[in-house]
Amino acid sequence: AQTVTQSQPEMSVQEAETVTLSCTYDTSENNYYLFWYKQPPSRQMILVIRQEAYKQQNATENRFSVNFQKAAKSFSLKISDSQLGDTAMYFCAFMKHGPFGNEKLTFGTGTRLTIIP
Amino acid sequence: DVKVTQSSRYLVKRTGEKVFLECVQDMDHENMFWYRQDPGLGLRLIYFSYDVKMKEKGDIPEGYSVSREKKERFSLILESASTNQTSMYLCASSSFREVGEKLFFGSGTQLSVL
Repeated sequence: AQTVTQSQPEMSVQEAETVTLSCTYDTSENNYYLFWYKQPPSRQMILVIRQEAYKQQNATENRFSVNFQKAAKSFSLKISDSQLGDTAMYFCAFMKHGPFGNEKLTFGTGTRLTIIP
Repeated sequence: DVKVTQSSRYLVKRTGEKVFLECVQDMDHENMFWYRQDPGLGLRLIYFSYDVKMKEKGDIPEGYSVSREKKERFSLILESASTNQTSMYLCASSSFREVGEKLFFGSGTQLSVL
């Protein structure tokens, strides 16, 4: 079974600064995907970024980027030029792609990020 | 836009009541999921379904059952609600075939069992 660990329950950073959220996972699979989801106070889960395990290049989406270290099973999220709207819970998640298709997502326990004005 | 709709945003029930949480998606997705979200525990999978009339237990199925009679609808049932089932419940759907496809989530049902 896969496990996902987020070791930072809470973080805060000044607006415009850069912050990095940590995530490690444990799996024996070779074909999988990693995700960062954001959950603002509205409760709606929003996909921030996705990484395919077979790609060595780190995924980026505007101010959001990941540092994917496959051998170390580490998948951290970097938010540059942080904005007040980045205040949210952030969840790291793992998904195995099985022989028949996509399978369930396993989530970490989350990091509550607060951006301070 | 893909829409995953959960029937209630807030729900208050009494201990011992039978509770139905409904979820409908409009994207013809094969996969549907029920997660429970608790502070400090993240999202934990209760049940999921890859097809109509098909269901699989997730990590915490005890005290819950599900029903998927139609492709677009996935219901979570609490046969006899207990106070430890007070939680936020999130429904999600995804394509089975689109490789690495993300999950689409509903906006959650906050259930309080008194």
